[in-house]
Amino acid sequence: DSGVTQTPKHLITATGQRVTLRCSPRSGDLSVYWYQQSLDQGLQFLIQYYNGEERAKGNILERFSAQQFPDLHSELNLSSLELGDSALYFCASSVLPRNTGELFFGEGSRLTVL
Amino acid sequence: DQQVKQNSPSLSVQEGRISILNCDYTNSMFDYFLWYKKYPAEGPTFLISISSIKDKNEDGRFTVFLNKSAKHLSLHIVPSQPGDSAVYFCAANTIQGAQKLVFGQGTRLTINP
Repeated sequence: DSGVTQTPKHLITATGQRVTLRCSPRSGDLSVYWYQQSLDQGLQFLIQYYNGEERAKGNILERFSAQQFPDLHSELNLSSLELGDSALYFCASSVLPRNTGELFFGEGSRLTVL
Repeated sequence: DQQVKQNSPSLSVQEGRISILNCDYTNSMFDYFLWYKKYPAEGPTFLISISSIKDKNEDGRFTVFLNKSAKHLSLHIVPSQPGDSAVYFCAANTIQGAQKLVFGQGTRLTINP
């Protein structure tokens, strides 16, 4: 158990819909990262927050947005969903905004868009 | 542009033998290289890392080798055990600027009894 909690674990929805994925980081971790893993692909970095502020952005689509709240939990909002958005979405956390790369990952949220 | 590549989608090794997983990268600015291990229905877990200024790091049965001139790293597992069966991701990181851990596509390792 990494200490990172993601909900929901599974989500099935239709094209055009909007969903919100939630992440609670490990206790004491201030930095939250979101990654997307499509079928048989590596993890693609989406976005990073540190103590409520956006820190880094990857190849995140404009239809996607995220935020980190004062209690440090984070939400990833996916809107106008397309079939290609079906993927595993991982949240990870770390204490510092920059480190060697050792992150603690949650179990992921599997999104299926039909 | 795939900066980190794992060209072998799968690898099968007999229990007790050595497992060697390979990874190539293109960006010479990476400061750290890491290996993550992932079991089904779980998130990736950190396994071992190496700084770009070193060429070897060892932790128990796991050793990572870095060849900067070839932009290549490898993970050696000796001896391989059934519990090592998992997907292994190679990843690379830069300390300066925004931290964006870059992952390879993963190699599925199967240890056969």
